[in-house]
Amino acid sequence: GNSVTQMEGPVTLSEEAFLTINCTYTATGYPSLFWYVQYPGEGLQLLLKATKADDKGSNKGFEATYRKETTSFHLEKGSVQVSDSAVYFCALSLTSGTYKYIFGTGTRLKVLA
Amino acid sequence: KAGVTQTPRYLIKTRGQQVTLSCSPISGHRSVSWYQQTPGQGLQFLFEYFSETQRNKGNFPGRFSGRQFSNSRSEMNVSTLELGDSALYLCASSGRDRGAADTQYFGPGTRLTVL
Repeated sequence: GNSVTQMEGPVTLSEEAFLTINCTYTATGYPSLFWYVQYPGEGLQLLLKATKADDKGSNKGFEATYRKETTSFHLEKGSVQVSDSAVYFCALSLTSGTYKYIFGTGTRLKVLA
Repeated sequence: KAGVTQTPRYLIKTRGQQVTLSCSPISGHRSVSWYQQTPGQGLQFLFEYFSETQRNKGNFPGRFSGRQFSNSRSEMNVSTLELGDSALYLCASSGRDRGAADTQYFGPGTRLTVL
């Protein structure tokens, strides 16, 4: 079936450290891929997206590249800030068959000053 | 463009009561999806509405229902509330038409507490 797997949290980093949150997917067809961020007490905000293989999504210093050969969409940031502390969700949407948005379980990031 | 709005933001109910949550999508968006988020189960899909018709449904009991109006606003209803229904309920809208995938934009959520 279709699924999204992301690394278990929490991830704890010092300010200015490099961040990687792994995300892999299983899907029939050609999904679009997304990263969302959720700050405490808020809904999910779209962080970035990619709609086809080799696309790179980027926003606010975060990047992720759609890798079809490894079915991955890992989130990276070169230098994290305390304000990046949040929960990050990887998701896919399917472009064929029954429309569905599938989310990973979320990865909590805590950045220490 | 105004974002997705949800009302109320917070709600406290007791077991056995029913509750109705409201969602107004981004102007022009015709698809509205609902999710339940809990610490234990994460983000779970409830249902999706498009042009007043339910098109997808998750694995929730019949106590959870929804509807969509001609202006795309949506409501979800939970009857006979249980303690386990305490959660953050998120609404998301997208501009997708039939057969196409599009980005979902989320509202701030309604925090429901069942006592």
